[in-house]
Amino acid sequence: AQSVTQPDIHITVSEGASLELRCNYSYGATPYLFWYVQSPGQGLQLLLKYFSGDTLVQGIKGFEAEFKRSQSSFNLRKPSVHWSDAAEYFCAVAPSGGFKTIFGAGTRLFVKA
Amino acid sequence: DSGVTQTPKHLITATGQRVTLRCSPRSGDLSVYWYQQSLDQGLQFLIQYYNGEERAKGNILERFSAQQFPDLHSELNLSSLELGDSALYFCASSGKEGEAGELFFGEGSRLTVL
Repeated sequence: AQSVTQPDIHITVSEGASLELRCNYSYGATPYLFWYVQSPGQGLQLLLKYFSGDTLVQGIKGFEAEFKRSQSSFNLRKPSVHWSDAAEYFCAVAPSGGFKTIFGAGTRLFVKA
Repeated sequence: DSGVTQTPKHLITATGQRVTLRCSPRSGDLSVYWYQQSLDQGLQFLIQYYNGEERAKGNILERFSAQQFPDLHSELNLSSLELGDSALYFCASSGKEGEAGELFFGEGSRLTVL
């Protein structure tokens, strides 16, 4: 069965520092991979997605993620974090051609001044 | 604004009661998904509909049911409510079947069972 693991429940970084959020997935074939962000009291918003092709994908708000097949990972990065990036981040996986997007447990990001 | 509308935003009810959550998908989207978000279970996939038909089912309890109507809006019915059903229920929609694409989420319906 497909699954998504986000090993870090929460992370604290200083404003202006770099960020990397980890995501590992388990799936037989190459799935579709996503990162979503959820601000307090809001629904989830897509940051970026990977279907195929270039393994480094760019998203909104200056985020990027790199797909590494050999490690079954899809880590999210940002070179310089802003206070407004404080939110919960979810990695998600969906089988190619179908349904049932599965989400990781989420990583809550705290940004300190 | 994602274009997905959920009502009500907040709902407080008692154990044993029944509630209905409503979702209007983004214009043109045929797929509707329901998710439950709670502190201990995270974001759990409940069920998906495509153009009125059930397409995928996740960890949805037998006390819960859903449907998608001809106008594509969807309802999630929760019955015999228990304290543990207190959660944020999200609806999401997407464009094409057979293509796992971006999900557009509503702002959720927060259910509190007392």
